[in-house]
Amino acid sequence: QVQLQESGPGLVKPSETLSLTCAVSGYSISSGYYWDWVRQPPGKGLEWIASMFHSGSTYYNPALKSRVTISVDTSKNQLSLKLSSVTAADTAVYYCARHALSIVGNTTCFDHWGQGTLVTVSS
Amino acid sequence: QSVLTQPPSVSAAPGQKVTISCSGSSSNIGNNYVSWYQQLPGTAPKLVIYDNNKRPSGIPDRFSGSKSGTSATLGITGLQTGDEADYYCGAWDGGLSVVVFGGGTKLTVL
Repeated sequence: QVQLQESGPGLVKPSETLSLTCAVSGYSISSGYYWDWVRQPPGKGLEWIASMFHSGSTYYNPALKSRVTISVDTSKNQLSLKLSSVTAADTAVYYCARHALSIVGNTTCFDHWGQGTLVTVSS
Repeated sequence: QSVLTQPPSVSAAPGQKVTISCSGSSSNIGNNYVSWYQQLPGTAPKLVIYDNNKRPSGIPDRFSGSKSGTSATLGITGLQTGDEADYYCGAWDGGLSVVVFGGGTKLTVL
């Protein structure tokens, strides 16, 4: 049974860097799939942040790319997100998710999600 | 402004059928598979349809999906109060090399 669990500070000051970790259990990150971050501002819809394959292939939301760093640690079976220079607009519930992405097969879906963690940007 | 367009809300009575539309373009829905997610209040999204019309294990056959051209549709029959949720469509956009989502549709079961 694949499970994902996000963790990190719930409060970040403006201009600082948001750092989150997602622990994956029940599946080895190095076995395949992309591993993603998706966020949802309070009362709003889903916003995709970034995808990463264990080999290093990455895709980013162009609107966030300059501020985002995504990484995977196969030894710990976890993925991480860093978002720099945060503002109040970055306040959101942040989800990690397993992403079945095939560019060749033209398919994408998120089949397992973490419970999400609320990050508030405020001084 | 979401790349994929969904109606903000739909409603129907228990036992009835409802459809939720998702409109995109040739760079996303037109040339890629569509997935649908159910988000119950206060919970994480859950995959209910992938590859336009396939149901993951455990999703009842009351949920169905279809695609025509640059639009996709989620159908739910035999509505139950437990189906009240926000529903999102998603797809890969080959032109931008990004994942795109719809803005979400709130389903109310009256």
